[in-house]
Amino acid sequence: EAGVAQSPRYKIIEKRQSVAFWCNPISGHATLYWYQQILGQGPKLLIQFQNNGVVDDSQLPKDRFSAERLKGVDSTLKIQPAKLEDSAVYLCASSLDRRRGAVGETQYFGPGTRLLVL
Amino acid sequence: AQKVTQAQTEISVVEKEDVTLDCVYETRDTTYYLFWYKQPPSGELVFLIRRNSFDEQNEISGRYSWNFQKSTSSFNFTITASQVVDSAVYFCALSENNNAGNMLTFGGGTRLMVKP
Repeated sequence: EAGVAQSPRYKIIEKRQSVAFWCNPISGHATLYWYQQILGQGPKLLIQFQNNGVVDDSQLPKDRFSAERLKGVDSTLKIQPAKLEDSAVYLCASSLDRRRGAVGETQYFGPGTRLLVL
Repeated sequence: AQKVTQAQTEISVVEKEDVTLDCVYETRDTTYYLFWYKQPPSGELVFLIRRNSFDEQNEISGRYSWNFQKSTSSFNFTITASQVVDSAVYFCALSENNNAGNMLTFGGGTRLMVKP
């Protein structure tokens, strides 16, 4: 079974530029997550989708970050404009749960996109 | 609010030594789940174990074992006879019912270095 796919793996941009990351979850997984992992820290949830609806985006800096999952499968996370403090690894994860609010389902992570903002 | 603490930021051992990674959590819920993930240098988080709050049995999987103690809110991870390939950052994480879905709260991670 194929795992969570992400692209690109690495991205270097200058501040104030925009950038987009793509994620394809494990086939059949209803829930998709985007996490931000700053160097030396644990991942922090940015947004969670259940199929194509947003479950939780309370930690997403909505003035510059946006995400969509239009057909309930793959997803795109965008940053516009980027700031220096956005330098981090952006991890996508998916889980099987088909019921909104299901707790404790195992999340499987992709390889991440390493972003450097200069 | 839920919180996960991994007090050991970095541990260095010599191959074949046993090593225990500590994890302490805080939650107000009676139903919750605990996880351990491994993050090798490649960056991908690899799932190791999931444990629910009603199952306090310790678990062993090969060289890995986990000790869950609700009385001390701890979920510690032991690697027996460590190997160089065990070198990675290990994260403990907590999932509880916050009505917003299946959010994982991660600890800060413990970097394990196994020297030959």
